[in-house]
Amino acid sequence: RKEVEQDPGPFNVPEGATVAFNCTYSNSASQSFFWYRQDCRKEPKLLMSVYSSGNEDGRFTAQLNRASQYISLLIRDSKLSDSATYLCVVGGAGSYQLTFGKGTKLSVIP
Amino acid sequence: EAQVTQNPRYLITVTGKKLTVTCSQNMNHEYMSWYRQDPGLGLRQIYYSMNVEVTDKGDVPEGYKVSRKEKRNFPLILESPSPNQTSLYFCASTRTSGGSYNEQFFGPGTRLTVL
Repeated sequence: RKEVEQDPGPFNVPEGATVAFNCTYSNSASQSFFWYRQDCRKEPKLLMSVYSSGNEDGRFTAQLNRASQYISLLIRDSKLSDSATYLCVVGGAGSYQLTFGKGTKLSVIP
Repeated sequence: EAQVTQNPRYLITVTGKKLTVTCSQNMNHEYMSWYRQDPGLGLRQIYYSMNVEVTDKGDVPEGYKVSRKEKRNFPLILESPSPNQTSLYFCASTRTSGGSYNEQFFGPGTRLTVL
């Protein structure tokens, strides 16, 4: 089983749509969870951390379900500028190493 | 401005010709790492360093070396590059104080082609 698995994508959605990305992780001892955004040929950048209680940042909402080892990202009212690849990232217990999912590509269409 | 810099940004070389990709951060971070990114495989860690003179292998260390003589610099060395090392390389750093995990900052990437 792969350590971090994401929806294969690509997701092509119209402007204004709501889109959800899902991610599962295999290591039950994982302690930290993130969504990174990567634009084409650019470096990954932190979009948001994911907390057990769930967290929201504007149009973006992240959820964590430790029992199911599942992370989600919801983007409301999609903008053209949201087009990018979204990486699910998991950090281990007692370690600063991160494991990256392969990413899900989102294209927001006018 | 807090940043991670890498050089060169683009490099085309030939098999067997030693090369070094430099990485430098100005945030006084302890933890630094190198990744490679390949289509369909995602980001994979090559090497990491917890602090000066402390380095360890990541998931795909074969064919690579690193050094950490100073806190700010973490060069990646390919002693004898081969075509299967053609990839997009990212250096990253993060602060490790406080016990909790902190944001990892990535450099702009180095696109390497080995002919």
